[in-house]
Amino acid sequence: AQTVTQSQPEMSVQEAETVTLSCTYDTSESDYYLFWYKQPPSRQMILVIRQEAYKQQNATENRFSVNFQKAAKSFSLKISDSQLGDAAMYFCAYRRRGAGNNRKLIWGLGTSLAVNP
Amino acid sequence: EAQVTQNPRYLITVTGKKLTVTCSQNMNHEYMSWYRQDPGLGLRQIYYSMNVEVTDKGDVPEGYKVSRKEKRNFPLILESPSPNQTSLYFCASSPGGSNQPQHFGDGTRLSIL
Repeated sequence: AQTVTQSQPEMSVQEAETVTLSCTYDTSESDYYLFWYKQPPSRQMILVIRQEAYKQQNATENRFSVNFQKAAKSFSLKISDSQLGDAAMYFCAYRRRGAGNNRKLIWGLGTSLAVNP
Repeated sequence: EAQVTQNPRYLITVTGKKLTVTCSQNMNHEYMSWYRQDPGLGLRQIYYSMNVEVTDKGDVPEGYKVSRKEKRNFPLILESPSPNQTSLYFCASSPGGSNQPQHFGDGTRLSIL
């Protein structure tokens, strides 16, 4: 069974600095998707960035980028120029590629990020 | 605006009193799913639906029912709620292509006393 591990329950960063959140996963599949979701205090689940495993290029969305290491099964999230609004719980999630309930997301337990002014 | 709408957002109720959490999406998505989020356990899938009249159990279906009579709606039914169903619930949907990310509702906080 696939698992997702986030080893940092809590992190903090100074405003305008850069922070990296870690995520590792375990799967025997060769093709899958990886996601980072943000959950602010409002509890909404907001997609930050996604990576398709067959793509070697790391995904980037504005200040958010990932370091995808397929062989190491590692998927870290880098937040550059951190802003106060980035303070939230961040979840790493995995999903198999293909039809059927492969769309089920398998979640890590989250990393709580604090941004200090 | 494309969205997944859950109602209610908050509910406090008592053991055994049947309740329904509604979920509606306006994006014509085929796939819909319910998750519950608990501290230390993360998010776990309760039920999912591939399309109208097609539903199946997720990882933690005990104590829940769902239905999918229309494409846009996927209600979660607790026939006889118990305190261990106190949780934060999310509905999610995605279109037919498997490479599409899921869109989430804003969550429903249920407290069963």
